[in-house]
Amino acid sequence: GQQVMQIPQYQHVQEGEDFTTYCNSSTTLSNIQWYKQRPGGHPVFLIQLVKSGEVKKQKRLTFQFGEAKKNSSLHITATQTTDVGTYFCAGPGANAGKSTFGDGTTLTVKP
Amino acid sequence: DTEVTQTPKHLVMGMTNKKSLKCEQHMGHRAMYWYKQKAKKPPELMFVYSYEKLSINESVPSRFSPECPNSSLLNLHLHALQPEDSALYLCASSQDYHGELFFGEGSRLTVL
Repeated sequence: GQQVMQIPQYQHVQEGEDFTTYCNSSTTLSNIQWYKQRPGGHPVFLIQLVKSGEVKKQKRLTFQFGEAKKNSSLHITATQTTDVGTYFCAGPGANAGKSTFGDGTTLTVKP
Repeated sequence: DTEVTQTPKHLVMGMTNKKSLKCEQHMGHRAMYWYKQKAKKPPELMFVYSYEKLSINESVPSRFSPECPNSSLLNLHLHALQPEDSALYLCASSQDYHGELFFGEGSRLTVL
């Protein structure tokens, strides 16, 4: 079935450093979604990208969708302790309604 | 605060027990989902309901039985579970199949 691969699995940064997580698919994605899950919490939707080459920003977060719509990235500028958590990308599965989540990147930020 | 409400937040049950997890949303969403999440793993899709009809069952064992009494409610009935079924069970809803998923806070299940 369709899979999305996400790297790295873990990232430890000093507060103020930048952070990037990458999501790759072997097949073209019609869209990609990003979620954040705080420790002990539940996934919270961040953004959806639909267009080839799309770039969207939310304050210090920048999301990109590749030209071939097979990869995506989330970049956080100047991380803060509030950014800690696991970031998941999710792509549509083979069947409608079946979103496939990447394995996630867990970010820890050292003050 | 989440707009998808799940109860109970925590549940401990024996392998012979019968229990139910409940989920409610009042956003008018037509798709509702059950996900299972083990520690340090991504959410894993179990069931999808669309317009109150079961549309996807990801080969989930029959000891998990979903039910959608109406467009706002989703239940997951549990019977004869195994210790390896211990996990966080997340309910989610979306406007349609392609929309963002709104997750509840989850029900943390422990099977003894």
